[in-house]
Amino acid sequence: DTEVTQTPKHLVMGMTNKKSLKCEQHMGHRAMYWYKQKAKKPPELMFVYSYEKLSINESVPSRFSPECPNSSLLNLHLHALQPEDSALYLCASSHPGLAGGPGLETQYFGPGTRLLVL
Amino acid sequence: KQEVTQIPAALSVPEGENLVLNCSFTDSAIYNLQWFRQDPGKGLTSLLLIQSSQREQTSGRLNASLDKSSGRSTLYIAASQPGDSATYLCAVRRTSGTYKYIFGTGTRLKVLA
Repeated sequence: DTEVTQTPKHLVMGMTNKKSLKCEQHMGHRAMYWYKQKAKKPPELMFVYSYEKLSINESVPSRFSPECPNSSLLNLHLHALQPEDSALYLCASSHPGLAGGPGLETQYFGPGTRLLVL
Repeated sequence: KQEVTQIPAALSVPEGENLVLNCSFTDSAIYNLQWFRQDPGKGLTSLLLIQSSQREQTSGRLNASLDKSSGRSTLYIAASQPGDSATYLCAVRRTSGTYKYIFGTGTRLKVLA
């Protein structure tokens, strides 16, 4: 099973709402990622978890809060978002390398959650 | 600061043509380079991954080459098909100590039947 699943597929939320995005993989990968992608732009890395610990936070605003409750699951909690946060949010996973650092294998991406903030 | 550029930004070709997509990066100290495909509104699918010690990788009709010294990679697609229509992205990882990939801006490919 080489699949990364993401729910929901689409999400519309107001600026005062709290919502969560969910990502799941069962490939035994211990590195998981959140990316943000605006239309016609490349993905931008937001967060990386390695062995369920936050490894990278690319200076993302605190209204985005990641969580990795176990090795298969990655959440992104959203609160008080702005309209400019509307984007495609992509989750990915990969094998980490030795000592928890980046491995050699490819990243597997989920289909994304299309978020619209009104 | 690593910058990754892809040329052309868009390409339209008739079915059956062989084509080359280009990816240039400014810092040759890369760990590896990946080529991805993205269909509209969808996630990314990894096509080929080239380690910095490798010169090329092949998968089916796809061949990717890497020339670190000149900061270039090419993706060759043989006998293009309408199903190849998508955006193709290259991404480089700068060093072995980071998870971060720097993505290029992509090439939007349309293969006409």
